[in-house]
Amino acid sequence: DAKTTQPPSMDCAEGRAANLPCNHSTISGNEYVYWYRQIHSQGPQYIIHGLKNNETNEMASLIITEDRKSSTLILPHATLRDTAVYYCIVGAAGNKLTFGGGTRVLVKP
Amino acid sequence: GAVVSQHPSWVICKSGTSVKIECRSLDFQATTMFWYRQFPKQSLMLMATSNEGSKATYEQGVEKDKFLINHASLTLSTLTVTSAHPEDSSFYICSARGDRGPDQPQHFGDGTRLSIL
Repeated sequence: DAKTTQPPSMDCAEGRAANLPCNHSTISGNEYVYWYRQIHSQGPQYIIHGLKNNETNEMASLIITEDRKSSTLILPHATLRDTAVYYCIVGAAGNKLTFGGGTRVLVKP
Repeated sequence: GAVVSQHPSWVICKSGTSVKIECRSLDFQATTMFWYRQFPKQSLMLMATSNEGSKATYEQGVEKDKFLINHASLTLSTLTVTSAHPEDSSFYICSARGDRGPDQPQHFGDGTRLSIL
């Protein structure tokens, strides 16, 4: 599975949009981009995933560049409860997930 | 939908005992479940892939005789830590992949915090 690169940490202002970048320059054509987050002492929570088209659900939007070498997770209106570690994972459908270090996001009032 | 339940959420036991952790998919069938371990301030590390009706596939470095996995039904996988020692203390998390298509994401349980005294 392709590896991903994420900034180790970032701060966001409550009520503002939070844009979380992820680089996956070695992604293969059949690999999806999955985003999860982990709030302290809980299991990871699925957020969104996509192959090449942009995706949106009730939690977030996923923007994937045309060459698919990077993506951005957008939390439209960050709240204090969005403070968590966010993981960007690339993998083929049905395959195991390999977690990297993720981005530690702190939402500040 | 896609709820994964893990039990127990927290367990403390003496060194040398065996501990069983259950992972259930509550509202979907899961032919494949995954077991992860997470040490403090570290990321999740995949231990094994559990396939219903067949033997689990273990990641390199994970002792299959130490961590016994059974996936006897489409909604239940169990992880047994045999003869547990303090170094086995960790946060164990299971996941199951949804059954609505090959690209369905994994959904995770809330984890089991295991402390061996």
